[in-house]
Amino acid sequence: GDSVTQMEGPVTLSEEAFLTINCTYTATGYPSLFWYVQYPGEGLQLLLKATKADDKGSNKGFEATYRKETTSFHLEKGSVQVSDSAVYFCALSDRQSGAGSYQLTFGKGTKLSVIP
Amino acid sequence: SAVISQKPSRDICQRGTSLTIQCQVDSQVTMMFWYRQQPGQSLTLIATANQGSEATYESGFVIDKFPISRPNLTFSTLTVSNMSPEDSSIYLCSVEWVSNYGYTFGSGTRLTVV
Repeated sequence: GDSVTQMEGPVTLSEEAFLTINCTYTATGYPSLFWYVQYPGEGLQLLLKATKADDKGSNKGFEATYRKETTSFHLEKGSVQVSDSAVYFCALSDRQSGAGSYQLTFGKGTKLSVIP
Repeated sequence: SAVISQKPSRDICQRGTSLTIQCQVDSQVTMMFWYRQQPGQSLTLIATANQGSEATYESGFVIDKFPISRPNLTFSTLTVSNMSPEDSSIYLCSVEWVSNYGYTFGSGTRLTVV
């Protein structure tokens, strides 16, 4: 079945540091890949997505590239801010590839804390 | 993308009682999903709800404990029945949108059972 593996947290960085959160996946088809962010006390918000190999998703300074050869979708940001402190979830869906799985499969989440 | 209004946003309930969570979507959607997020954990799918048919439950979740209604294409409810402290979690609804493929989530219901 489908699965997503994320790097373990928590991650603590100083403001303006470079961020990488690793994400790898296993899927039966050619999945769409997502990063969601959950700020303290809130629901999930879509951060970025990529629907096919070599696509790069980007939003709010965050980027992730769909790497089919390494089955990865690592999240990066060049300079983090205190306001980026949140939990980040990597997720996949096989919906568009026709593999029949309609829902999202999530990684365990990575808690990021950015200190001034 | 769709906008979801989920309520209540939080509740504290006595064990043995039931709570019904509502999700209202601002557009018609085919697929709606209900997730549970236990404290400090990731999201686990409870069930998928299509309009006009029985919800499909994931392994470990049963209809008697988590009955779901889906009366139309913009609304769904999840009931957490006969609650125990182990049911204390965040419950989230989600919809799939097809035009700009992705998924939107409600803001969640933070449930504490005492």
